[in-house]
Amino acid sequence: ETGVTQSPTHLIKTRGQQVTLRCSSQSGHNTVSWYQQALGQGPQFIFQYYREEENGRGNFPPRFSGLQFPNYSSELNVNALELDDSALYLCASSLAGTSSNTEAFFGQGTRLTVV
Amino acid sequence: LAKTTQPISMDSYEGQEVNITCSHNNIATNDYITWYQQFPSQGPRFIIQGYKTKVTNEVASLFIPADRKSSTLSLPRVSLSDTAVYYCLVGDAHTGGFKTIFGAGTRLFVKA
Repeated sequence: ETGVTQSPTHLIKTRGQQVTLRCSSQSGHNTVSWYQQALGQGPQFIFQYYREEENGRGNFPPRFSGLQFPNYSSELNVNALELDDSALYLCASSLAGTSSNTEAFFGQGTRLTVV
Repeated sequence: LAKTTQPISMDSYEGQEVNITCSHNNIATNDYITWYQQFPSQGPRFIIQGYKTKVTNEVASLFIPADRKSSTLSLPRVSLSDTAVYYCLVGDAHTGGFKTIFGAGTRLFVKA
């Protein structure tokens, strides 16, 4: 158990719809990162939020957006869903900047299927 | 962000020591090296992190040469349950959070 929880665990959406995925970070962590993992591939970095501000973004279009709340939980929003958005979406929380041990703790992921 | 290169897959037998080497030629001064393990349909799990020389914990050792352009994860006496994908990552652990960029990983198959 990492203390990072994601909801929902599974989701089926239709192409063109919008989806919101949620992540509750580990207590005391101030940084949340989101990843997309297609079957058989490594996780691809979408973006990171640090103290409610976006702090780095991977090669994803603007229809992927996010939020981080004052309690450091986070949302990932994807608009105009495409079939290729079908993947496991992972959230990771970490504590930035205070020590060398900044391992990221991952949730179990949300399996999104776009049909 | 430093790019990493790892073998795509490795095979081993139960009880053997497994060493997985990762190349990161353009590692930056502030970058740490971190290894994660991932089982199917689960999130990656932290194994070990280091900056230089050798780090050991209860599950693995991490060897980092002086030039830091590579690192080796050592798993002692693997078991069937160690069959997983192993990712090597490098990143700055201090500036605004540890941006974790994954490569393709190494698929380790442990046989009986």
